[in-house]
Amino acid sequence: QKEVEQNSGPLSVPEGAIASLNCTYSDRVSQSFFWYRQYSGKSPELIMSIYSNGDKEDGRFTAQLNKASQYVSLLIRDSQPSDSATYLCAVNLREGNTPLVFGKGTRLSVIA
Amino acid sequence: EPEVTQTPSHQVTQMGQEVILRCVPISNHLYFYWYRQILGQKVEFLVSFYNNEISEKSEIFDDQFSVERPDGSNFTLKIRSTKLEDSAMYFCASSAGNQPQHFGDGTRLSIL
Repeated sequence: QKEVEQNSGPLSVPEGAIASLNCTYSDRVSQSFFWYRQYSGKSPELIMSIYSNGDKEDGRFTAQLNKASQYVSLLIRDSQPSDSATYLCAVNLREGNTPLVFGKGTRLSVIA
Repeated sequence: EPEVTQTPSHQVTQMGQEVILRCVPISNHLYFYWYRQILGQKVEFLVSFYNNEISEKSEIFDDQFSVERPDGSNFTLKIRSTKLEDSAMYFCASSAGNQPQHFGDGTRLSIL
């Protein structure tokens, strides 16, 4: 069974702080990694994609991938109340256009 | 920015009835997917579609389900005889080759 694990939270951080979200995956051959944001009752919205080891930055978001440890994380700098949502980690298990396996998500609450 | 559109946004149906959920993928995308999310649970893959045929399906996608691309723009999911446990949010997603998947706003399916 291919699994993607996330701490369900809630993770509470004060406004302006760094939020750190973590994800582990069970299949060592996993190829592509994504972070989606999901507001309550809404659809997943792509935040970041990362394909190789290291860091990838986009604005206030940084994704980090460590394939040896089967670990991917998302850092949100200068957290805003509007960042309050559930963050879903998703993994492509194989190369190419294959289905995503999702974690259950981490609920983030940014306190003003 | 182009987006995936889904209709209807909410469908209420009696158990045993057939439902058709509709999706218009992003116009230059070639890979199409259906996912579902039962309330409070993770997003689960149902089926993927490429070049007018199913490329992959999950255990959830049994004989009660079918997909079709009836014309050049629409992509549909049909559930032949709905059950109470089919109540969920159904998301359509599409992607270009080897690119992240983008999700529509979803259809909330309620089976009575």
